[in-house]
Amino acid sequence: AQSVTQLDSHVSVSEGTPVLLRCNYSSSYSPSLFWYVQHPNKGLQLLLKYTSAATLVKGINGFEAEFKKSETSFHLTKPSAHMSDAAEYFCVVTDSGTYKYIFGTGTRLKVLA
Amino acid sequence: NAGVTQTPKFRVLKTGQSMTLLCAQDMNHEYMYWYRQDPGMGLRLIHYSVGEGTTAKGEVPDGYNVSRLKKQNFLLGLESAAPSQTSVYFCASKLRDRGVTEAFFGQGTRLTVV
Repeated sequence: AQSVTQLDSHVSVSEGTPVLLRCNYSSSYSPSLFWYVQHPNKGLQLLLKYTSAATLVKGINGFEAEFKKSETSFHLTKPSAHMSDAAEYFCVVTDSGTYKYIFGTGTRLKVLA
Repeated sequence: NAGVTQTPKFRVLKTGQSMTLLCAQDMNHEYMYWYRQDPGMGLRLIHYSVGEGTTAKGEVPDGYNVSRLKKQNFLLGLESAAPSQTSVYFCASKLRDRGVTEAFFGQGTRLTVV
């Protein structure tokens, strides 16, 4: 069965410093992985996705993520945080063996001035 | 280009009342999903559908029913609402493609049961 673990429920960084949001997954088949962002009282916006092409994936707003099969990880990074990055981030896994689209519990990112 | 549309956006129910949430998509997607979002728990899958006329249970199906009579619509019903069903509900749709494309989400329905 698929599952996703987001290792930190809250992360605080100072503006201009790097961001690291951690995600580990479990999947019986070749996984597809996604990161979504949700700003307060808003819907879900896709940041980036991995679907078995390049292992380093670039997304919107300067975010990127690296798929590491040996570590079953798909961590989200950004070199320099901006105040507008403050939001909740969700890691999602699906695979070819199931129809399900499974979310992690989310990481709330706080950016300090 | 509407994408995924949820109706209503907000609703307050009294305990024991019933209601139906409507999800409509105009992208000809085969898969549709209903999630609930609660603080600290991410989005949990309630029910899903892989095609017209078919539905299946997700992680938290109790107290909910669904129907997919038309490919573009996925209805979520609460027969007898309980305070524990206070939540934000999201609908999503996706192509049938062995997992390589993303799901598209509606804007959510905020439901309060008093």
